[in-house]
Amino acid sequence: EPEVTQTPSHQVTQMGQEVILRCVPISNHLYFYWYRQILGQKVEFLVSFYNNEISEKSEIFDDQFSVERPDGSNFTLKIRSTKLEDSAMYFCASRGQGETFFGQGTRLTVV
Amino acid sequence: GESVGLHLPTLSVQEGDNSIINCAYSNSASDYFIWYKQESGKGPQFIIDIRSNMDKRQGQRVTVLLNKTVKHLSLQIAATQPGDSAVYFCAENISGGYNKLIFGAGTRLAVHP
Repeated sequence: EPEVTQTPSHQVTQMGQEVILRCVPISNHLYFYWYRQILGQKVEFLVSFYNNEISEKSEIFDDQFSVERPDGSNFTLKIRSTKLEDSAMYFCASRGQGETFFGQGTRLTVV
Repeated sequence: GESVGLHLPTLSVQEGDNSIINCAYSNSASDYFIWYKQESGKGPQFIIDIRSNMDKRQGQRVTVLLNKTVKHLSLQIAATQPGDSAVYFCAENISGGYNKLIFGAGTRLAVHP
């Protein structure tokens, strides 16, 4: 069964550093997303990406965040100058014509 | 504003019993609803979905009911098994967008032998 894969599974970074979270969406999907989940809380939408550009973003997705699809298979989330409150699970998701599939997530810990 | 919420944060059931998890939504523009299961340390896993032109949909051991009049969604799990223990989220999709999902707060289902 096709799946969304994310790397790394766990990332620890110092406050102020930049991190890049990586995702390989399902190959024939056209819509890509990043969500985050702070420990014990609900999953929150960050950004959607379609046709090589951001289609929608939430209030959370401020100037410290950026996304990129550098080639035909990868989809990345970059967080510049990480803050303690960026610590969360980050989920990549992709969608074709039907349901949205989620990856297993990257646990980001900012220390 | 947009919101999707859950009535019960934790539900404990005996193995073999039926489980019902409820969800309220507030956005009338939502046209598609999904239930996700999340096990510890994993991503949300699709369970079942329903479009706003339906009021009931059945899958394998699961049924989703949609009441648009009161903006209520429920997930019924028949013959609950220990493997059903997880956090369950309802999510809504607002029509006209790029299919972003708005998640509810989640209900933890604990199945006891």
